[in-house]
Amino acid sequence: KNQVEQSPQSLIILEGKNCTLQCNYTVSPFSNLRWYKQDTGRGPVSLTIMTFSENTKSNGRYTATLDADTKQSSLHITASQLSDSASYICVVYAGNNRKLIWGLGTSLAVNP
Amino acid sequence: DGGITQSPKYLFRKEGQNVTLSCEQNLNHDAMYWYRQDPGQGLRLIYYSQIVNDFQKGDIAEGYSVSREKKESFPLTVTSAQKNPTAFYLCASRTGQGNYNEQFFGPGTRLTVL
Repeated sequence: KNQVEQSPQSLIILEGKNCTLQCNYTVSPFSNLRWYKQDTGRGPVSLTIMTFSENTKSNGRYTATLDADTKQSSLHITASQLSDSASYICVVYAGNNRKLIWGLGTSLAVNP
Repeated sequence: DGGITQSPKYLFRKEGQNVTLSCEQNLNHDAMYWYRQDPGQGLRLIYYSQIVNDFQKGDIAEGYSVSREKKESFPLTVTSAQKNPTAFYLCASRTGQGNYNEQFFGPGTRLTVL
């Protein structure tokens, strides 16, 4: 069964600190993996999209890694800001039926 | 939110009434999507359309209907047959071809059934 699991479910950090969010998937065949940021009450915004040949991809203070062998991805946030408070959702694209498999997200709160 | 607009932002409906959610995009994207988001659940696909005058059911199409008469517009009707319509509804459109499939989302409509 195609699944995307994220951990932790929620996380609280202090402003300026770094954090890492995890994503494990069992999607086959794998096509690409993306991370979205969703502010409360808003639509998701794409942070990165990675194919199986990409190990690391950065977008400003956000760095995503992908290990296609272990089917794991992580999103590292550096020097967190209050505006980073949001839900971060991992999504895997299954190439055969062209479906997006959505994780439940990690809710991040950055406190001053 | 890019060039995708959804209206209204908040919508209240009485039980037994149909209601239509608007989604418009000016990104010249061919494909458009409707998702539903509930607390504690991932996004679930309701309907999608790859081209004008064509649309396909997603995973949870029962109780919903759509139309795609124009490339820019993909309205969603929540009918009285939808048993639990209270949710956050997201419209998206897609750029690119093949497997890259990046989707851009609108700001969402929160529907509450009274």
